[in-house]
This record gives sequence, C-alpha cells and structure tokens, in this order.
Amino acid sequence: GENVEQHPSTLSVQEGDSAVIKCTYSDSASNYFPWYKQELGKGPQLIIDIRSNVGEKKDQRIAVTLNKTAKHFSLHITETQPEDSAVYFCAVSSNTGKLIFGQGTTLQVKP
Amino acid sequence: GAVVSQHPSWVICKSGTSVKIECRSLDFQATTMFWYRQFPKQSLMLMATSNEGSKATYEQGVEKDKFLINHASLTLSTLTVTSAHPEDSSFYICSATSRWRGGTDTQYFGPGTRLTVL
Repeated sequence: GENVEQHPSTLSVQEGDSAVIKCTYSDSASNYFPWYKQELGKGPQLIIDIRSNVGEKKDQRIAVTLNKTAKHFSLHITETQPEDSAVYFCAVSSNTGKLIFGQGTTLQVKP
Repeated sequence: GAVVSQHPSWVICKSGTSVKIECRSLDFQATTMFWYRQFPKQSLMLMATSNEGSKATYEQGVEKDKFLINHASLTLSTLTVTSAHPEDSSFYICSATSRWRGGTDTQYFGPGTRLTVL
C-alpha cells in the first residue's frame, strides 16, 4: 500500500524566515496531494493542495511543489509569522479517495 | 464555505458505556464521510469510510462491531463507540467530501471530538 514519509518532524524558524516541509510517497498512481494545518485541540484545516497534472501552486505566502518523477512534494511557507506555528500534515490520495497522511511536522515560529 | 461540525466537542464517559459522535456537513451535501482517530502527538489514522445509505467500509484492524457508523443522510454521519474502554480514549475526527464541491478527493475536516473513557 501507499507509504508517506514526512520530514522534518520538528522545525523551528525565526519570524520572517521561510519554512520548507517535504514528503515522499511510494505509489506512482497517487494523484492528489493536500497539505493540512492542525492547531492544538482542533481538526486539520486544508491550506493548499495540488494535483498530479500541476508542478507548482501558490497561494499568497504558501506554495506547494510536486515532482512526480521523484515522488515527492514540498510545502513552502515564506515570511513566517507566529500564527503559522502548528502541526502540518501532508497527505496523498489515489483514485480510492482515501487520504494517507504523513507523520506530521511541528512548526515553531519564534517572534 | 465547506464547513463540517462535530458534536460533542468533548465527552467523558465511564468504561462499558456507549458514546455517539455526530458529524454534519453544514453547507454542502457530503457524498462520502470519513472517520479518523488521532492519538496524542501522532498522525491521523483512517478508521472507516461511509457513503450515504450504504454500509461503512472499515480499515484493517478496526472492529466494526465496536465502532458503529451510520450515514443516514447526505449531511449526517454518526460514530458510536460501544462498550468503551480506556484504550478507546482518543481524538476522533470526521471529514467529508462532495462530488459537487471540491471534487471527490478534497476532504473537509470537522473540529474533532475528544473522548475520555474513565
């Protein structure tokens, strides 16, 4: 079955710096790659997603890049702010509609 | 838009009792709903997938007789934890997809329900 690896598990950056989180997956049939932000005690919130026919997508300070050949995708957050501090999860989906989640990355943005 | 609610947000129960958790899509019709469990500092683990009007499909290792799922309408799914035990204490989260909104693969998550079994 699908296997998703997410790195790093924790990331600490200074406010204003950029943060990058990477995920690799195993199933070449996977075609949908969302990123979720989860704050303590809350449900995951979809922040950006990308489909297999696109290499990059950007939404203000957030961007996602996808390399289908290498089977990895990354989340880029620029100009980080303290409110960006949270746990971020990548996920992968194929035609089954099920999401397989990465292990999560705890991002801390220091003011 | 694409709001999913859960009720209750937290519940404490005694061992051996049953607990029902509701998941509602507030502003869209959900063709499929998913139930996840999340232990502290861990990722989300899919428990089951439910489609309106049909039986839920459970993931390997999830006891279907213990975690009863009913997807009675396009806006409501319920998860009942039967004969709960302390090891069932966890954060339960539902999500929903709609073929009319976001496509069948975009999942919108609820806020979660914290279950504590004493």
